[in-house]
Amino acid sequence: KAGVTQTPRYLIKTRGQQVTLSCSPISGHRSVSWYQQTPGQGLQFLFEYFSETQRNKGNFPGRFSGRQFSNSRSEMNVSTLELGDSALYLCASSLLGRTNTEAFFGQGTRLTVV
Amino acid sequence: TQLLEQSPQFLSIQEGENLTVYCNSSSVFSSLQWYRQEPGEGPVLLVTVVTGGEVKKLKRLTFQFGDARKDSSLHITAAQTGDTGLYLCAVDTGTASKLTFGTGTRLQVML
Repeated sequence: KAGVTQTPRYLIKTRGQQVTLSCSPISGHRSVSWYQQTPGQGLQFLFEYFSETQRNKGNFPGRFSGRQFSNSRSEMNVSTLELGDSALYLCASSLLGRTNTEAFFGQGTRLTVV
Repeated sequence: TQLLEQSPQFLSIQEGENLTVYCNSSSVFSSLQWYRQEPGEGPVLLVTVVTGGEVKKLKRLTFQFGDARKDSSLHITAAQTGDTGLYLCAVDTGTASKLTFGTGTRLQVML
């Protein structure tokens, strides 16, 4: 079966702009989580959506937001981009999002803010 | 302060050597996961350990969960170039799919 698909793979934006990243989970998976990966901070949890509702949120400013559609596809948006937002953004899907279930990651979107 | 500290941070070895990577915390966890992330890819789950003292083997990889469920180790026997990657331990600290990752160990296996 197809894996988690993230688009676009690469993105270059200017400070102050906004960006939208997309994630299509594995078919049938209802939980989608987003993570930010940087060399300095490592992999950090952004938020998780399940059945179109945000269930968990990490410690990121309000400029970071997301949503999930009825087909479980998810988008995350970052407004007023800062240089420090340059990172690899990873999306993970799981069947029900329960503890100890396997999360499948996409290849990520590499965002560069200049 | 990081919840999960991994050591070493970097490791460069020759093919055929053995190595051990550690994941330590002062907190107790009900389970712990190990992931490997290759360049340009997302992390891939290797194993989940759930019982204190548990040992799991995956071909040349041996995973152990500490008796007190505060730490874990990953041992690779006779490393191969295909083992190159970023090794991450992680715990599910939230209600669901909210993983907290360790600081990571970047492994380079050379011919």
